[in-house]
Amino acid sequence: DAGITQSPRHKVTETGTPVTLRCHQTENHRYMYWYRQDPGHGLRLIHYSYGVKDTDKGEVSDGYSVSRSKTEDFLLTLESATSSQTSVYFCAISESYTGTSGTNEQFFGPGTRLTVL
Amino acid sequence: GIQVEQSPPDLILQEGANSTLRCNFSDSVNNLQWFHQNPWGQLINLFYIPSGTKQNGRLSATTVATERYSLLYISSSQTTDSGVYFCAVVGLGDDMRFGAGTRLTVKP
Repeated sequence: DAGITQSPRHKVTETGTPVTLRCHQTENHRYMYWYRQDPGHGLRLIHYSYGVKDTDKGEVSDGYSVSRSKTEDFLLTLESATSSQTSVYFCAISESYTGTSGTNEQFFGPGTRLTVL
Repeated sequence: GIQVEQSPPDLILQEGANSTLRCNFSDSVNNLQWFHQNPWGQLINLFYIPSGTKQNGRLSATTVATERYSLLYISSSQTTDSGVYFCAVVGLGDDMRFGAGTRLTVKP
């Protein structure tokens, strides 16, 4: 199994509070991703990173920010959590993005269940 | 972005039965993956298959990229196969897009 951990695994917070989720990998992969999963949907991309300090937006990035100060860590921050951000958050990693320099197969962490009251 | 459709949305089988899950996508892809999300929520990689055919035990997958579809075959199903199966694709210059999934229930 790919070495990906997420913390915390469960969190309950109140509307308006800041929340930071952490993804840690031991595979030294260049690309890291944050997704959210909601009932009735597959996963949707929030943000991704293509290297240290290099990030870009995904399909559902509003209300989220990310940071990557080390290859192994990718942080997702909700500056002021809202009830619509109640979801399960998954982190993923891959060697490559396009598949031209290594495989772009993505491997997923165990997920973080976030509830915003 | 690229559209991904999976069928059927729900599937109920008796243990030992075979099944075929389908994934249609709307544009060229350079990545197609099949995942199994188990009842504990973990996403398990089944196949990385942007084209061609692969087999792993009782599971096999075929992607016909020119016709924009992929099939996942499950033979001799077991109760542990229950869960949601996702197809996910990466279009050229695009992000990974997931289908809505097929929920499989295997009854003993």
